[in-house]
Amino acid sequence: EPEVTQTPSHQVTQMGQEVILRCVPISNHLYFYWYRQILGQKVEFLVSFYNNEISEKSEIFDDQFSVERPDGSNFTLKIRSTKLEDSAMYFCASREGQMITEAFFGQGTRLTVV
Amino acid sequence: AQKITQTQPGMFVQEKEAVTLDCTYDTSDQSYGLFWYKQPSSGEMIFLIYQGSYDEQNATEGRYSLNFQKARKSANLVISASQLGDSAMYFCAMRDLYSSASKIIFGSGTRLSIRP
Repeated sequence: EPEVTQTPSHQVTQMGQEVILRCVPISNHLYFYWYRQILGQKVEFLVSFYNNEISEKSEIFDDQFSVERPDGSNFTLKIRSTKLEDSAMYFCASREGQMITEAFFGQGTRLTVV
Repeated sequence: AQKITQTQPGMFVQEKEAVTLDCTYDTSDQSYGLFWYKQPSSGEMIFLIYQGSYDEQNATEGRYSLNFQKARKSANLVISASQLGDSAMYFCAMRDLYSSASKIIFGSGTRLSIRP
């Protein structure tokens, strides 16, 4: 069964360093999302991406964050200068098309900023 | 603005019993979708069931059913014959269906624990 895959599963980084979280959405999906979940808290929307551009972003998604779809398969989230409060689980999700409603999530990347 | 409310932070249920997880929502959209996701301790988000706002029948998927009461703006998840593997965090979520790229918003979740 097709699935969304995320790498790495766990990343530890020094405060101030740049990190890139990688996602391979399901191949025929058109809509892509990043969410984050701080430990024990709710799942928060970061950004949605369609037709090679950002559709919507939340207040969390400030200038430190960027997304890219560099080729036909990968969808990346970059955090330019990590802060301690960026420590969270980051989920990538994809959705097939306008009339297809459910989004499928990857297994997540746990980011720890030290 | 949309909002999802899950008022049960945690629930304990005996194995084989049915369980209802509550979810209420608020939206001004006419066309929207409601979802339930399961998050086991391993962390992944697993899609369980979907209900469209214009669907007249309640959605069912195996042991999962969604008790949709549009006038009350509730979308409770019912798990029949609970199993130990059902122990997890459960999130209710919704999405506006007018905008094709619209985001899914989540409630705060309910942690379900199944007792043997």
